[in-house]
Amino acid sequence: EDQVTQSPEALRLQEGESSSLNCSYTVSGLRGLFWYRQDPGKGPEFLFTLYSAGEEKEKERLKATLTKKESFLHITAPKPEDSATYLCAIPFGGSYIPTFGRGTSLIVHP
Amino acid sequence: EAQVTQNPRYLITVTGKKLTVTCSQNMNHEYMSWYRQDPGLGLRQIYYSMNVEVTDKGDVPEGYKVSRKEKRNFPLILESPSPNQTSLYFCASSLARGEAFFGQGTRLTVV
Repeated sequence: EDQVTQSPEALRLQEGESSSLNCSYTVSGLRGLFWYRQDPGKGPEFLFTLYSAGEEKEKERLKATLTKKESFLHITAPKPEDSATYLCAIPFGGSYIPTFGRGTSLIVHP
Repeated sequence: EAQVTQNPRYLITVTGKKLTVTCSQNMNHEYMSWYRQDPGLGLRQIYYSMNVEVTDKGDVPEGYKVSRKEKRNFPLILESPSPNQTSLYFCASSLARGEAFFGQGTRLTVV
């Protein structure tokens, strides 16, 4: 069965304390894995797309990596403004409409 | 400016009173979709459309209708809203294999 699972559900970090978020997936024929950031009450904002195992993308303090079974979002030396919910999404079935994991709520304390 | 616009942003209504939430995109995207977001359940697909006059059910379509008469618009219709449809709703649009752009959200309360 196609599914996407994120862990942990919540993560609290001190400013500067690096960590990783996990997105594990099961899908027949990966057609892209997406990472989004969502601030409270707002729509998700696109961060990265990964298509094949071994691929990596970076943006400021964020780096996304992909294997055949999971993706990691690495956060290096986070700042309080990185606090948000991070969502992983994969298109299932015959469409390119993404199905989302439940997200990881990240809080970075100053 | 590329954007997805939803209206209204906030809506309080009574059980059984038909309502429509509009969604419009200015990026000429083929794909459009509706999600609802509830605490602990994440974003769940309601309906999606891959082109004009083509719509399909997502994971939680019960109680909702959609239409895609024009490429830019994808309204969500609740014929007879019930309290369990109280939620935060998001419309999104994308190209095939592309990232989705989301609207600002519509917070719906059904009393």
